[in-house]
Amino acid sequence: KQEVTQIPAALSVPEGENLVLNCSFTDSAIYNLQWFRQDPGKGLTSLLLIQSSQREQTSGRLNASLDKSSGRSTLYIAASQPGDSATYLCAVHNAGNNRKLIWGLGTSLAVNP
Amino acid sequence: ETGVTQTPRHLVMGMTNKKSLKCEQHLGHNAMYWYKQSAKKPLELMFVYNFKEQTENNSVPSRFSPECPNSSHLFLHLHTLQPEDSALYLCASSQDLLAGLYFGPGTRLTVT
Repeated sequence: KQEVTQIPAALSVPEGENLVLNCSFTDSAIYNLQWFRQDPGKGLTSLLLIQSSQREQTSGRLNASLDKSSGRSTLYIAASQPGDSATYLCAVHNAGNNRKLIWGLGTSLAVNP
Repeated sequence: ETGVTQTPRHLVMGMTNKKSLKCEQHLGHNAMYWYKQSAKKPLELMFVYNFKEQTENNSVPSRFSPECPNSSHLFLHLHTLQPEDSALYLCASSQDLLAGLYFGPGTRLTVT
């Protein structure tokens, strides 16, 4: 059974720092992995989607990597800003017959001015 | 703007009321989803529709009744809800069942 874990649950950093958010999954048979951002009380915004055949995806100051063999993905945020404060969730799309999307609980990020 | 809209954004209802949540996507996607988000829990998938056909009902109580009249619109009809049903209800769409998801802003539901 696929399980997705995001550590740490919460992170507080000063503005300007480069930071890494972690997502791990127990079954490497995945179709893709997606990172989302959620502001308090709001819906989710898709940030990056990595197909299982890809190693990384980049969008602006964000870079997501995928290592299927070790069951890990990282979201790298460069030069963090207070506007980056939000909860970041990762979700893994299982491959095979059980093509469910499995979610982590998220990392709550606070970037302090 | 995500291209997925939801109304209402906030809803307070009593346990004997009947209400409906509406979702509309303007992205030309073929799949639509209802999710429930409660504090300290992972997102819970409720229903999936693909080309207007329901492909998944994730053991959701019958007091939640989905309706998908076309690929752009999705409804969630609510009746005789319980206080534990209070949550953020999120609609999402995707090009197909394996593509990335795009979410609406959600409806914050409070059952009194």
